[in-house]
Formats: sequence, C-alpha cells, structure tokens
Amino acid sequence: DVKVTQSSRYLVKRTGEKVFLECVQDMDHENMFWYRQDPGLGLRLIYFSYDVKMKEKGDIPEGYSVSREKKERFSLILESASTNQTSMYLCASSSAPSKAGALYEQYFGPGTRLTVT
Amino acid sequence: AQRVTQPEKLLSVFKGAPVELKCNYSYSGSPELFWYVQYSRQRLQLLLRHISRESIKGFTADLNKGETSFHLKKPFAQEEDSAMYYCALLEYGNKLVFGAGTILRVKS
Repeated sequence: DVKVTQSSRYLVKRTGEKVFLECVQDMDHENMFWYRQDPGLGLRLIYFSYDVKMKEKGDIPEGYSVSREKKERFSLILESASTNQTSMYLCASSSAPSKAGALYEQYFGPGTRLTVT
Repeated sequence: AQRVTQPEKLLSVFKGAPVELKCNYSYSGSPELFWYVQYSRQRLQLLLRHISRESIKGFTADLNKGETSFHLKKPFAQEEDSAMYYCALLEYGNKLVFGAGTILRVKS
C-alpha cells in the first residue's frame, strides 16, 4: 500500500518566517509533486520533481522553492512566508510511465494546513 | 494551455436521486482523464480513470471527445458519496491539471 506522509497536519507561522514542509513516500516513486489546494481554485501545481536533485516549476512557483536530495523525500520551502500563502498544501508521488504503463496514478499525502499570520 | 472546467462548485441532491458531476476539458491531443475524490478528513484519492472504463462505487464516466467532456455519473446517490470531486487531465511529463472541484452533498 502506497504511503505518502507529510511532516505536519497543521502549521502556524508568522509573516517573514522561513517554512519547511516535508514529504516522504515509501514506494520508490520517481515523480513527486507539491500542490496547494484552495476553495474555488482546486489544486494548483507549485513544483514537481522527476528524480533526485531535479526540479521543475509548476503553475505557481513564485515565493516557493523545493529540494530533493533523496528519492523518497521532497521538501517545499517558503523562503519568507506571507499571508497569501495560507493554504492547504498537498504532496503527491507517482511512478514513471514506463513502470506504470497505462495505469497512471498520483498518490497523495494527508495535507498540511498552513496558516501565516 | 490545457484546461479542466468544473462548472458547479456545489451539487446538492437527495439520496436515491441520479448524480452528474460535469467536467469539460481542452486538450490538443488524445486526453487521459481521471476523477479524484476527497471524503471528509481523508486524503485525496483516485476514483476512476477513463482508460480503464471501470465502475467504482457505482460511478462511471465516459469520455466524449466531440463535446470534450468527461462527466461523472451515478444512477442512485448515497449519503456516503458526499465529498469533494476533482476532474483531472494528464499532461506531458506526468503532470495532472485539476479542475476547481465540485462539492457533492447527498441529503437524506
């Protein structure tokens, strides 16, 4: 059973703080993703990674950075948190298509609800 | 740019009534589409994928390329179907583009 875990369920930070959100998957997946989930906007992709030390910008990367030093771990960093980054953050992972064949699926973590005050 | 549109923010139906959650997409190729569901206090999970042509928990979704739609249907809604539903489109590079989501409320 695929397991994607996120370091915190709830987090409260102050404006200007540096924030780290951690995600770990145990299925040896190549791909990892960070989304934010906001009412009325759905899920928006922040960053994703195909492999260790590789990263690609998603649709809304501004104000965020990521780190993938190990295959199982993908970190999202808010360099200087702002109130407009208050949101639910979801991490996901998936196999590369050559392994998954036609049955592609992203597996999601439980989410981290971040509040920036 | 690829887009997924879910026109309804909230769909409220009575138990036993038919359900149709709408999803339209724009994609310049052969699309691969999914429905994801998030029940209260649970993580987002895959409900079904169009290429499998499956029925999960009584839900089905047919890809209509002419209308660029992938609506989710169930003939008889149950209270446990109440959840947030997202339609998603697979882009190159294994990225999913999600719609804004539709909250389904099934009333008893």
